[in-house]
Amino acid sequence: GQQLNQSPQSMFIQEGEDVSMNCTSSSIFNTWLWYKQEPGEGPVLLIALYKAGELTSNGRLTAQFGITRKDSFLNISASIPSDVGIYFCAGRGAQKLVFGQGTRLTINP
Amino acid sequence: NAGVTQTPKFRILKIGQSMTLQCTQDMNHNYMYWYRQDPGMGLKLIYYSVGAGITDKGEVPNGYNVSRSTTEDFPLRLELAAPSQTSVYFCASSLTGELFFGEGSRLTVL
Repeated sequence: GQQLNQSPQSMFIQEGEDVSMNCTSSSIFNTWLWYKQEPGEGPVLLIALYKAGELTSNGRLTAQFGITRKDSFLNISASIPSDVGIYFCAGRGAQKLVFGQGTRLTINP
Repeated sequence: NAGVTQTPKFRILKIGQSMTLQCTQDMNHNYMYWYRQDPGMGLKLIYYSVGAGITDKGEVPNGYNVSRSTTEDFPLRLELAAPSQTSVYFCASSLTGELFFGEGSRLTVL
């Protein structure tokens, strides 16, 4: 089946730093979604991407749908303490939505 | 707007017991899903439904059953609870492609 490789698995950064994470797959996807999960909560949708090459921002977050349709990137600029959480990518191809393993973000004030 | 509501939030079961996790959504979404999330892992699809009366298996359906008698409700049933079913369960719904999740139900089987 389709699988996603999300990296890094975890990040420890200083407040104010920029953050980059990505997801790659051997399969082509038609949609990429980025979610954030805080402790004890369900994932919340951050950004949705529907077209190869698409670059979309949501405040300090920017995500891109890779040209090959096999990858996507999420960047967070000027991190703040409330950015802490687990970020998941999800890709939808011919089959059902597939989730990455998540990137756990920890911020030192 | 309540969105996706799951009950209970927490439950402890003994091995062999059965229970139902409830999920309801008020967004009139056709698609509904059940995922499980094990510690430090991503989300694995258990079952999904594309509309009332239609359900299908996901990646990890063994040990679970679902039904979809209405658009709003999509309960998940565990018939004979096993320790391997200790997990956090998330229900989600969607209209097009973007999933909206409930807050989760944490289940422990001892």
